[in-house]
Amino acid sequence: EAQVTQNPRYLITVTGKKLTVTCSQNMNHEYMSWYRQDPGLGLRQIYYSMNVEVTDKGDVPEGYKVSRKEKRNFPLILESPSPNQTSLYFCASSPERGGGTDTQYFGPGTRLTVL
Amino acid sequence: AQKVTQAQTEISVVEKEDVTLDCVYETRDTTYYLFWYKQPPSGELVFLIRRNSFDEQNEISGRYSWNFQKSTSSFNFTITASQVVDSAVYFCALKNNAGNMLTFGGGTRLMVKP
Repeated sequence: EAQVTQNPRYLITVTGKKLTVTCSQNMNHEYMSWYRQDPGLGLRQIYYSMNVEVTDKGDVPEGYKVSRKEKRNFPLILESPSPNQTSLYFCASSPERGGGTDTQYFGPGTRLTVL
Repeated sequence: AQKVTQAQTEISVVEKEDVTLDCVYETRDTTYYLFWYKQPPSGELVFLIRRNSFDEQNEISGRYSWNFQKSTSSFNFTITASQVVDSAVYFCALKNNAGNMLTFGGGTRLMVKP
């Protein structure tokens, strides 16, 4: 089954404790992206990747890191989480590197709470 | 920079009523792509429709219809004869021509009461 998976789905942690949220897609998609969802703000893009070893900042990259060492995986790293990073996080992928004609497929979401 | 505005934060209707969710966008691109996503209480994002900027034809899919008007930069979504299962948060989104940025509106929470 074609899908985007995220792990963990739920995470409660404390300020400053490094964490990684994994994202994997099995559709051989070129493009992957991370979003955070906050009430009233919709989803905001954190980072995106057009291809392996190519990553770029979205609208809200501060406090986050990503890597794209292989096509299927795009982990989101919080080196020193803070309470303002408490949010619902979505990973997404789409077939093309750009062009805009493709649709993004979203993972199930990861609810992160930083105490 | 591009922007999407969903002015209605919450809408409450009674089952079988028709309801329209508004979406207004801003972009400097002449080619762009518009989307609607549904987020039910379970939390996942469900793709509903994609519309290219050069295709202003309105679309109907069952009880759902979309009205794309370039002149007013709007892409409104209408649910006819709403049902309780339509209760969800609905997001309008805009993708730029380069395809690397997807900008979401703040979402509209629709509550359909029996």
